[in-house]
Amino acid sequence: QLQLQEAGPGLVQPSVTLSLTCTVSGDSISVSSYYWGWIRQPPGKRLEWIGNIYFTGITYYNPSLRSRVTMSVDTSKNQFSLKLSSVTAADTAVYYCARIPGLTGEAPLDFWGQGTLVTVSS
Amino acid sequence: SYVLTQPPSVSVAPGKTARMTCGGNKIGTKSVHWYQQKPGQAPVLVIYDDSDRPSGIPERFSGSNSGNTATLTISRVEAGDEADYYCQVWDSTSDQRVFGGGTKLTVL
Repeated sequence: QLQLQEAGPGLVQPSVTLSLTCTVSGDSISVSSYYWGWIRQPPGKRLEWIGNIYFTGITYYNPSLRSRVTMSVDTSKNQFSLKLSSVTAADTAVYYCARIPGLTGEAPLDFWGQGTLVTVSS
Repeated sequence: SYVLTQPPSVSVAPGKTARMTCGGNKIGTKSVHWYQQKPGQAPVLVIYDDSDRPSGIPERFSGSNSGNTATLTISRVEAGDEADYYCQVWDSTSDQRVFGGGTKLTVL
């Protein structure tokens, strides 16, 4: 059974880099037909796509976040990661990782992790 | 960037039909996906590519898409269907996935 689990600090200080990891179990992150993505949801607000990564390292980022986002993949650990730099209170959100069963932007997000709340505060 | 508009709330009695809309410019030319999110839980894909159901999603859930409006329909609504529902598309102009603001379905 496919499972995705986010991990990272629940509290980060303003201006630092937020780092999260998503561990995939029940499937290989190296399956050729999948991308793997990050999505966030600020409290009381709509979902926001952050970006996605292929197991070869190919990435696509939300244009509004591109200057601050870096994604990477570790196939040996079946994990992929998110780094978001220069965070502010506006980056406070529940961060989700998800599987994307397709190689185009039109593909849906078919399995999601439970999400992890990251609060940006001093 | 592309904007998806959803009504904030829809209410329906058990056993009736709930219809939730997602408006966007020429959305009928895009593939629309729908997600169900219950409080404190991750979103679940309930409809993809306008009208297809993932494995495990009841046939009571259906979708349509034409013109400037996509619609998620839930027939024979149950108490367990109470949740927030989000529509989502790919905007090729800005190269990003876009979500609607969500509709809260209340089962009376």
